[in-house]
This record gives sequence, C-alpha cells and structure tokens, in this order.
Amino acid sequence: AQTVTQSQPEMSVQEAETVTLSCTYDTSESDYYLFWYKQPPSRQMILVIRQEAYKQQNATENRFSVNFQKAAKSFSLKISDSQLGDAAMYFCAYTSGTYKYIFGTGTRLKVLA
Amino acid sequence: DAGVIQSPRHEVTEMGQEVTLRCKPISGHNSLFWYRQTMMRGLELLIYFNNNVPIDDSGMPEDRFSAKMPNASFSTLKIQPSEPRDSAVYFCASSWGAANTEAFFGQGTRLTVV
Repeated sequence: AQTVTQSQPEMSVQEAETVTLSCTYDTSESDYYLFWYKQPPSRQMILVIRQEAYKQQNATENRFSVNFQKAAKSFSLKISDSQLGDAAMYFCAYTSGTYKYIFGTGTRLKVLA
Repeated sequence: DAGVIQSPRHEVTEMGQEVTLRCKPISGHNSLFWYRQTMMRGLELLIYFNNNVPIDDSGMPEDRFSAKMPNASFSTLKIQPSEPRDSAVYFCASSWGAANTEAFFGQGTRLTVV
C-alpha cells in the first residue's frame, strides 16, 4: 500500500529566510504524481506545486521549489524568502493511476516576523 | 467556476441525530472524494467516486457512514446515528480524473456532535 510520511509536525522560519519541509513516500508504482498543498487558517486547501515522477527536473513555482529524489522516494518543499502569508499547514500528497490521493499528516509552518 | 461547494459550513448536532453533508463538485470533473480531517488522524480518505460510481469506500469508518452520488453535480455524506467521535472537518474534493491533475477542495464542513 502507498504511504506518505511527513516527519516534521511543526517548523519555524524567520521572515525572508528559507525553509525546507520533508516528505517521504512508499510505492511500488513507477508512474505517479506528487503534490504539496497549503492549508491556511481559512481551511481552504490550495495546491502549491506538483511533480510528475517521470520528470527528472524539479518543479518550481515562484518562491516554491521541490527536491524530488525518486530513488530515495523523497519529495521535499523549499520555500524561499518566506513571507508571513506562508504560515499554514502543508500537506504532501501522492496519486497514481487509480486517482486516489493519499496525504501525509501535515507540517505546521510558523513564520516569525 | 465557483469551485467545489460544500454545505453547511458548520453543523452542530446532538448525539444520535442524522447528519447530511452536501457537495457540489466543479462542473466537468468526474472524480469526487470525501475526506475527514482531525488533529489525531490528519486527512483520511473516506470514499471516492469516478463517474458517479463508488470506486473505493474502504475508508468509510463504519456502517453509520454512507455516501451517494446520484448525478455528476451532487454528492452527500450521511452519518446516522452521529456520535461525538465523528466530530471533525469533512472535505469534499473533485478532480478531472487524470492522475496528474490536482484535486480541488471545498471549504469543508466543521461537524460538532455533542
């Protein structure tokens, strides 16, 4: 069975600094997709970034980038130039051809002014 | 598009009562998911539908929970009878169906069973 693990329940970062959130997953599939979602206090789940497993190049979206290590089954999220609005819960998610999304337990990110 | 619409946003009910949560997915999406979020267990997939057909309901905790999708634009999650341990935020999400597309979430229903 596929699993997604986020080992950091909480992280803190100083405003304007860089922080990396960790995610590991387990799967026997060769083709799958990985996502990072952000959940601010409003509860709304917002897609931050996605990565296709067949692509070697790491995805980037403005200040957000991933470090995708397929062999190690690792998918970390790097947030550069952290802003107060980045404070939220961040969830790593996995899906394959079954379209079933599996989420990690989340990392709460605090941004310190 | 208005996004995934869930109702109600908040529900407080007494133990033993029936609760029905509603979801309108994004038009054109053919996959629909119900998730439950709690502090202890995080986001749990309860059930997902593809083309209105339940594909995997292995996450439904027990027979008190049931979900239906009578058409492509509407789904319900019913709890009967409700118990205090059912208190959680329930999310509905929909997607286009291809695995590389994101799941779009509603704003959730916060259920409190007293």
